[in-house]
Amino acid sequence: GIQVEQSPPDLILQEGANSTLRCNFSDSVNNLQWFHQNPWGQLINLFYIPSGTKQNGRLSATTVATERYSLLYISSSQTTDSGVYFCALNAGGTSYGKLTFGQGTILTVHP
Amino acid sequence: GAGVSQSPSNKVTEKGKDVELRCDPISGHTALYWYRQRLGQGLEFLIYFQGNSAPDKSGLPSDRFSAERTGESVSTLTIQRTQQEDSAVYLCASSLGRIGTGELFFGEGSRLTVL
Repeated sequence: GIQVEQSPPDLILQEGANSTLRCNFSDSVNNLQWFHQNPWGQLINLFYIPSGTKQNGRLSATTVATERYSLLYISSSQTTDSGVYFCALNAGGTSYGKLTFGQGTILTVHP
Repeated sequence: GAGVSQSPSNKVTEKGKDVELRCDPISGHTALYWYRQRLGQGLEFLIYFQGNSAPDKSGLPSDRFSAERTGESVSTLTIQRTQQEDSAVYLCASSLGRIGTGELFFGEGSRLTVL
C-alpha cells in the first residue's frame, strides 16, 4: 500500500514563530487532507487538497502531486495551534476507499 | 445532523464482554468509515461502507470485530469477547459522494477501555 511519511515528528515553537510541516507519499493520490488533532482528541479538518494551494487565515497548504509531497504552513503560531497534525491520503487502486494516515507531527507552541 | 455523532463517548468494560459502538453520519453522506487510534499512535483503518455495502473488510483486526450499516445511515461496530489490546479510541467519519473521494469529517470518537 501507499507509504506516508511526515516530518518533523516533533516541533517546538515560541508563540509567533512560523513553521512548515511536510508530508511525503509514495504513489499518486486522488484525495489528500490535513487534520489537526487537538489535545482533546478531536480531529479538525484543515484542508482538502489533493493538488494546488489553499489558504485559510494563518494556515496554508500546497500539494505538488507530481513530486508526491504536501506542505502545511503555519504562520504566527499561537498556543492553540498545539496538537498533532496529520496528513491523510487515498491512492486508489487496491487501497481504494481507505484514507491512509501518516504518523503525525506533534506541535507544541509555548507562550 | 450537523456533524458526525458517536456513542458512547466513553465505555469501560471487562475483558470478555461484548461492546457496541454507534456512529450517526452527517445527513446525506453515503460513505462511512471506521478507524481505531491507540494511545499515542496514528489512525488505523478498520472498514468503510459505501451505502450499506462494505466491500473491504480486510482492515478489521480479527473475527471478533464486525460492523454493519442500515438504511445508509447509522453504523454499528461490534467487538465480541473484548481483549485489553482492544482499548483505543474508535473514530467514525463520513463523506459525501463516492468512496475514496471527497472530504472526510470525523466524529469525536468512542473511547473504549477494557479492564
